[in-house]
Amino acid sequence: GQNIDQPTEMTATEGAIVQINCTYQTSGFNGLFWYQQHAGEAPTFLSYNVLDGLEEKGRFSSFLSRSKGYSYLLLKELQMKDSASYLCAVMDSNYQLIWGAGTKLIIKP
Amino acid sequence: GAVVSQHPSWVICKSGTSVKIECRSLDFQATTMFWYRQFPKQSLMLMATSNEGSKATYEQGVEKDKFLINHASLTLSTLTVTSAHPEDSSFYICSASTGTTSYNEQFFGPGTRLTVL
Repeated sequence: GQNIDQPTEMTATEGAIVQINCTYQTSGFNGLFWYQQHAGEAPTFLSYNVLDGLEEKGRFSSFLSRSKGYSYLLLKELQMKDSASYLCAVMDSNYQLIWGAGTKLIIKP
Repeated sequence: GAVVSQHPSWVICKSGTSVKIECRSLDFQATTMFWYRQFPKQSLMLMATSNEGSKATYEQGVEKDKFLINHASLTLSTLTVTSAHPEDSSFYICSASTGTTSYNEQFFGPGTRLTVL
């Protein structure tokens, strides 16, 4: 079956760095997405990786290793507004998005 | 950027009534629209995929007679929850993309919170 694993919850300190991991097993691979979702709101797009390596976008970076079925989202210089759930999603061979359960990130002052 | 709206943003209804939720792509033509449901502290669950002018494709376990989807134009899709019950209370989110295959980013609407009493 298809499976996306990410930690349920993480805590970090304002101004610090946090890495949220995602491992996946899917039927085919057409890219991996990271979304941010604040409580009660719809997800917003953060990043898309389809080739191995690191994609940097401001304070957020996303890494992909297709051979290991592994990705991480790196958040630097954490701000209180970064408190949210971070969803990892993989597009399978049918171009369907398979969603992880999300990682709730709690930022403390 | 691509904007997707949903209406209403929240709705409370009595058990047994039907509720219609609209999803509109405001500045682009959405060939494909997706309907998701999200229960508290859980991930998004895809309910169905709809392509303009054709019948929706429902995910396993989703009752197509209970969740009616209509994608009549390239900018509008509707989800009707028929004979709603308290267990249908959830956060319903639509998304839209411009293609049916290959990578096309999904743009999400703001969601509709349904509470069935």
